[in-house]
Amino acid sequence: KAGVTQTPRYLIKTRGQQVTLSCSPISGHRSVSWYQQTPGQGLQFLFEYFSETQRNKGNFPGRFSGRQFSNSRSEMNVSTLELGDSALYLCASSLGQGLGNSPLHFGNGTRLTVT
Amino acid sequence: AQTVTQSQPEMSVQEAETVTLSCTYDTSENNYYLFWYKQPPSRQMILVIRQEAYKQQNATENRFSVNFQKAAKSFSLKISDSQLGDTAMYFCAFMKRGGGADGLTFGKGTHLIIQP
Repeated sequence: KAGVTQTPRYLIKTRGQQVTLSCSPISGHRSVSWYQQTPGQGLQFLFEYFSETQRNKGNFPGRFSGRQFSNSRSEMNVSTLELGDSALYLCASSLGQGLGNSPLHFGNGTRLTVT
Repeated sequence: AQTVTQSQPEMSVQEAETVTLSCTYDTSENNYYLFWYKQPPSRQMILVIRQEAYKQQNATENRFSVNFQKAAKSFSLKISDSQLGDTAMYFCAFMKRGGGADGLTFGKGTHLIIQP
């Protein structure tokens, strides 16, 4: 069974631009969550989607948004990019919502660099 | 909100030795899960072991085991017979039952180096 696939692996953008990251979960998984990883802040929860609905959201500004499609694939969008948005963005999928009793499976991440 | 603290930024041991990584957490929740994740240089986070807070028995997965002390809010990871492939960042993580606005709360990580 294929794992969680994130595209692209690397991305370089300029301040003020917007970016869209993509995540394809493991087949059959209906929950997708997103995390931002930076050296300073570590790993921080962005949001979780289940059945095309955002179920939980972390403490990030409205410039960070996402969506989930009927096939469970998810996209994350960051508008008006800032230098501080440079990070590794990790996507994780799980069978069910709630995540605690259904382990997360992570992708390899998208490395976003904002210049 | 909960916090997870890993007090050892880096550890280094010889191959075949046993190593213990520390993790403490703070929460007012009673029902929750604790995890250890491994992140090798390939960047992919891999679940090592999971513990349900209502279970007193410590979880084990082959060479990996935990010492879960709920009252002390401590959740350490023991790696026995360490191997070169165990070299990675290890993250301790917390999630309350049912998820919630915090999702998985991670510690800052411990960089474990296994020396040949």
